[in-house]
Amino acid sequence: NAGVMQNPRHLVRRRGQEARLRCSPMKGHSHVYWYRQLPEEGLKFMVYLQKENIIDESGMPKERFSAEFPKEGPSILRIQQVVRGDSAAYFCASSWGRDTSPAFFGQGTRLTVV
Amino acid sequence: AQTVTQSQPEMSVQEAETVTLSCTYDTSESNYYLFWYKQPPSRQMILVIRQEAYKQQNATENRFSVNFQKAAKSFSLKISDSQLGDTAMYFCAYDNAGGTSYGKLTFGQGTILTVHP
Repeated sequence: NAGVMQNPRHLVRRRGQEARLRCSPMKGHSHVYWYRQLPEEGLKFMVYLQKENIIDESGMPKERFSAEFPKEGPSILRIQQVVRGDSAAYFCASSWGRDTSPAFFGQGTRLTVV
Repeated sequence: AQTVTQSQPEMSVQEAETVTLSCTYDTSESNYYLFWYKQPPSRQMILVIRQEAYKQQNATENRFSVNFQKAAKSFSLKISDSQLGDTAMYFCAYDNAGGTSYGKLTFGQGTILTVHP
């Protein structure tokens, strides 16, 4: 039973490019959470999605960031026109229901903007 | 809004000894969950232990145990018989899964634990 899979593990983008981060939840999980970890800090909640629905995006920056979790395929976190401040580790977690804490985490994608 | 505070940026311990990591939190909710996660250099987030607020008994997982003081809003992690593999960043986290926040976690700033041989 594979865990939460994130790819790529490392991603380098130049300023102004787009970054796409992918997350495949554990089998049977329909809830996905994205977190961001800035250097030397704890994880910060970004967005909570169920299949085809954004449930809570209170932690998402207002511009350039978007997320989706389609009926088929992985969840995608998209960052448009990246800036140096977007450099961070982005973690995805999944669960099978809102009352089934804790969510299981992927290994993260480390985004570096040069 | 809930907050989680870890006041010890770094801790160190000798192998086989015991160490306690501190965590305090602030919430107005009565039902919630608390967690300790371990993040080794591989960056993988690993669940160490979980406590449900309505349970008075402190959770225990092998060498890991917690001291949950609900009135004081304190949730410390004790690691007994420390091993070199325990070296990692440790995060305390809060989840108001029983409320309206849909199971999302609020994390503390983390404590770097180093176990010395």
